[in-house]
Amino acid sequence: GQSLEQPSEVTAVEGAIVQINCTYQTSGFYGLSWYQQHDGGAPTFLSYNALDGLEETGRFSSFLSRSDSYGYLLLQELQMKDSASYFCAVRPLSGYSTLTFGKGTMLLVSP
Amino acid sequence: NAGVTQTPKFQVLKTGQSMTLQCAQDMNHEYMSWYRQDPGMGLRLIHYSVGAGITDQGEVPNGYNVSRSTTEDFPLRLLSAAPSQTSVYFCASSGPHNTEAFFGQGTRLTVV
Repeated sequence: GQSLEQPSEVTAVEGAIVQINCTYQTSGFYGLSWYQQHDGGAPTFLSYNALDGLEETGRFSSFLSRSDSYGYLLLQELQMKDSASYFCAVRPLSGYSTLTFGKGTMLLVSP
Repeated sequence: NAGVTQTPKFQVLKTGQSMTLQCAQDMNHEYMSWYRQDPGMGLRLIHYSVGAGITDQGEVPNGYNVSRSTTEDFPLRLLSAAPSQTSVYFCASSGPHNTEAFFGQGTRLTVV
């Protein structure tokens, strides 16, 4: 099975850098993804790590370490619009067409 | 390009009623899934499909049926609604490598 743990809430101020961690227990997976969700709307894709290391996409970066069963999403130059929920998810070996999600981290960005 | 379209956006059902949540995608994706989202629970997989004519159960399938007669459509049927099925339902599709899933806008269902 798959189990992903994230902090329930993180707070930060505009312009700062914040890291959202995701630790997991899994029987095997293809890659770790991150999704953003505003106010219960549609989750939207942010990044995907198939291999260990850092993936950078603009202000967002994502990191995976399979040996540590750990990943994180790094958000730089925070903006008010980054206030949202962030979910890590794995694409499991046993269900390659699906995603198993963590419970999500609510990020609150203040002025 | 519409992406993934879900209907209806909102629905109120009485206990015992049945209904179908519609999901359609126009990206020719083979993989489609249904998730439910409850407060503090993240998204949990209900049913999924790897192609037309092929469906399988996810983590929380009880009380739901699906079918996949075409690549585009993946309806979710509630057989006899219960208050425990009050939730927000999301349909998603992805391509063959499943590195990026595309979600519909969700259906907010209340069962009274």
